[in-house]
Amino acid sequence: AQTVTQSQPEMSVQEAETVTLSCTYDTSESDYYLFWYKQPPSRQMILVIRQEAYKQQNATENRFSVNFQKAAKSFSLKISDSQLGDAAMYFCAYRSAVGGGADGLTFGKGTHLIIQP
Amino acid sequence: DAGVIQSPRHEVTEMGQEVTLRCKPISGHNSLFWYRQTMMRGLELLIYFNNNVPIDDSGMPEDRFSAKMPNASFSTLKIQPSEPRDSAVYFCASRMTGLNQPQHFGDGTRLSIL
Repeated sequence: AQTVTQSQPEMSVQEAETVTLSCTYDTSESDYYLFWYKQPPSRQMILVIRQEAYKQQNATENRFSVNFQKAAKSFSLKISDSQLGDAAMYFCAYRSAVGGGADGLTFGKGTHLIIQP
Repeated sequence: DAGVIQSPRHEVTEMGQEVTLRCKPISGHNSLFWYRQTMMRGLELLIYFNNNVPIDDSGMPEDRFSAKMPNASFSTLKIQPSEPRDSAVYFCASRMTGLNQPQHFGDGTRLSIL
């Protein structure tokens, strides 16, 4: 079974600064997908960014980018120019690509990101 | 476009009562997932369906939990009888077939069992 570990229960950053959230995972599979979801106090689960394991290039979405290190099984999220609206819980998630990728997501425990004005 | 729709948004009931949570996936999505979120255990997959067929229910905690998907546009998660430890936020998510397709989540149902 796959596991996802987020070792930072809470992170704090000054507005406009850059912050990196850590995620490691354990799997014996070679093909899979990784995701970062954001959960604000409204409790919506919002997809931030995704990475296909077969792609070497790191995914980017505006101010959000990842550092995907497949050999190290590491998938960190970098948020540049932090904004007050970025304050939320951030969850790292894994999905197998075996069997058509129909499996559900395995989530980490989350990192609570605080933005200091 | 309408997203995944869950109802009710909040549910408060007494232990022993039957609870039914409802989900309408995004039209055209053929995979549906039920998750539970608690402080202690985080987000856990309970069950998922492909083309209305349950594929993996190994995450369902006990026989008190059951899920159905009678058609492509509706699913229910039922707890009978409910217990205080079932209190959690329950999410439904759906996705389209295709390896690169992400899951889209509903807003969740906050369930409180007194």
